[in-house]
Amino acid sequence: DVKVTQSSRYLVKRTGEKVFLECVQDMDHENMFWYRQDPGLGLRLIYFSYDVKMKEKGDIPEGYSVSREKKERFSLILESASTNQTSMYLCASSPTGTLLGTEAFFGQGTRLTVV
Amino acid sequence: GEDVEQSLFLSVREGDSSVINCTYTDSSSTYLYWYKQEPGAGLQLLTYIFSNMDMKQDQRLTVLLNKKDKHLSLRIADTQTGDSAIYFCAESNRNAGNNRKLIWGLGTSLAVNP
Repeated sequence: DVKVTQSSRYLVKRTGEKVFLECVQDMDHENMFWYRQDPGLGLRLIYFSYDVKMKEKGDIPEGYSVSREKKERFSLILESASTNQTSMYLCASSPTGTLLGTEAFFGQGTRLTVV
Repeated sequence: GEDVEQSLFLSVREGDSSVINCTYTDSSSTYLYWYKQEPGAGLQLLTYIFSNMDMKQDQRLTVLLNKKDKHLSLRIADTQTGDSAIYFCAESNRNAGNNRKLIWGLGTSLAVNP
């Protein structure tokens, strides 16, 4: 089974802290994604990466950065956490060029609270 | 731009059929997906349909695609309390620069009452 693992289920951080959310996938997928999920707003794409050291902005990249030094790991960084970044963060990965197109596999989510 | 819309809530009785509807705008969509999110969990792929198909059946799940109207539906037969979840519709296409992204609906929250 494909496994996408996020390092924490729950995190509480203070305003202004630098926050790292880690995501690891074990299926050699090329594509990795970070979303945030908020009530009434659905899933919003923050950043995605289609290869090592490659990254592209999603729909709401402001206040975030990412790092993909190895194929299996995609990190989301909040340089200076703010209360409006309190949210559920979901990591996903997908292969390229399969019969299922861009089918994505998700981690269990990290619920981040910034106080 | 591309958009996917779905109703936000659906309530059914246990044993009844549930039908969750979705409309999309991108006529070049290649694949359309249904994902399920149980409380406190990530999303799981439930089923998908390729754009040249009209229907796909998988046990209790039936997906219908009306490409002319850009309408996708998910029917769950004999709905159980374990089906209570949020169901997301998503579409992907092969447009240049966009072939790695999914476009998501906001999700339909299905409540199954005993």
